[in-house]
Amino acid sequence: QVQLVESGGGVVQPGGSLRLSCAASGFTFSSYGMHWVRQAPGKGLEWVAFIRYDGSNKYYADSVKGRFTISRDNSKNTLYLQMNSLRAEDTAVYYCAKLIAVAQTVDYWGQGTLVTVSS
Amino acid sequence: EIVLTQSPGTLSLSPGERATLSCRASQSVSSSYLAWYQQKPGQAPRLLIYGASSRATGIPDRFSGSGSGTDFTLTISRLEPEDFAVYYCQQYGSSRTFGQGTRLEIK
Repeated sequence: QVQLVESGGGVVQPGGSLRLSCAASGFTFSSYGMHWVRQAPGKGLEWVAFIRYDGSNKYYADSVKGRFTISRDNSKNTLYLQMNSLRAEDTAVYYCAKLIAVAQTVDYWGQGTLVTVSS
Repeated sequence: EIVLTQSPGTLSLSPGERATLSCRASQSVSSSYLAWYQQKPGQAPRLLIYGASSRATGIPDRFSGSGSGTDFTLTISRLEPEDFAVYYCQQYGSSRTFGQGTRLEIK
C-alpha cells in the first residue's frame, strides 16, 4: 500500500535550520510531482512547495521563498525540504503529499512531522 | 494568487441532517479544478471530491460536490457521526491554495 513517511521534525531555535525527509513507497514516486503542505497548531492547511516529477521545476509559497528548498532523490524514493532561517511562524506539522492534479486523480498524504521553532 | 473563502466557519448540525458547505474563489477556478478534503483531529486530510463534483475512491455517495467558476458547494446529504470534522476546499488550477476550513460540529 501507499506510504509516505516524514521524518526530521523537532525543536529548533529561531534562525536555525532543519531538513525534513519523506520516504515514499507503494507507488511510482518518480512519476509524480510532490508537495509539502503545513498546518500550524489549531490552524488550517497551507501549501508550502512543489517539485516536478523529475526535479526540473520547483515552486514555493511567498511565505517561505528564499528560505526553504524542496528537492528529491528518485533513486531513493525520497522527498526533502531544507528549511533555513526558521521563524516562530514556521511552527507547524509538515505533510509530504502527492496532491490531486490535472489528469492525476490519486492523492496521498503522510502522517506529518512537527516542527517547533522556539527559543 | 486565488484566495478561497469558506463559509460558514462553523456549522452545528445533528446526525441525519443535511450539511451544505460553501467555497468561494477570488477569481474563476479553471476547468473546475476544485477539491474538497475532510480532516479529523490528529489525522492527515482525506480527499473527498475532485474536479468539483467527482467523488474520490471509497467516498460514500452521501458526499457530493457542485459548482463552477467562483462558487462551489460540498453537500453531505445525511450526516453520520463520523462526518463531524473540518472540511477544506483546495484549488489546483493555478498553483495551489486552500480555504481556511469549515468546522462541522455536533449540535
